[in-house]
Amino acid sequence: SQQGEEDPQALSIQEGENATMNCSYKTSINNLQWYRQNSGRGLVHLILIRSNEREKHSGRLRVTLDTSKKSSSLLITASRAADTASYFCATEGQGAQKLVFGQGTRLTINP
Amino acid sequence: DAGVIQSPRHEVTEMGQEVTLRCKPISGHNSLFWYRQTMMRGLELLIYFNNNVPIDDSGMPEDRFSAKMPNASFSTLKIQPSEPRDSAVYFCASRTTGGGGYTFGSGTRLTVV
Repeated sequence: SQQGEEDPQALSIQEGENATMNCSYKTSINNLQWYRQNSGRGLVHLILIRSNEREKHSGRLRVTLDTSKKSSSLLITASRAADTASYFCATEGQGAQKLVFGQGTRLTINP
Repeated sequence: DAGVIQSPRHEVTEMGQEVTLRCKPISGHNSLFWYRQTMMRGLELLIYFNNNVPIDDSGMPEDRFSAKMPNASFSTLKIQPSEPRDSAVYFCASRTTGGGGYTFGSGTRLTVV
């Protein structure tokens, strides 16, 4: 399975600090995506990084991808209370259009 | 754009009853996906369609589950008969076949008692 595994499972930090979440996967991918899910809501797409890219930025988000280690990280800078949510990585395998999700990281930002 | 629309938002039914979940994807999106989310198993892909054609239904747990996409703007996921272990949040998502991120609906929370 190419299911992503995320680390840590839960993270609690103070507002203003940076939050880093990691994702590992098992097989070759076409791209890797990060999603946010607020409690009781659907998932929201944050950012997509392709297998030939190493780093991507979007606002306060920075994603890195290391295909040699089959891992990715999501960095949220200057965290806010509104960033409290679960964050999921998802991989799209080569030749397959479906996304396989990891178990997620529960992020709590304390005011 | 109203996004991906799912109905109902909540469904409580008795074991053995038929349940039908509905999804309207974003106009112009050619791919549609049904996922199930539980605490124990996380997000599982059940089935996905490209241009209304089922491509991969390997995630459908049992013959009790079936999905259809009669046209580009509507899909259903049916469970018959329902069982308590089917209790979960069911998400529909869509995107263009050109790739990119998925747009998820708000989900249907199904409780089978």
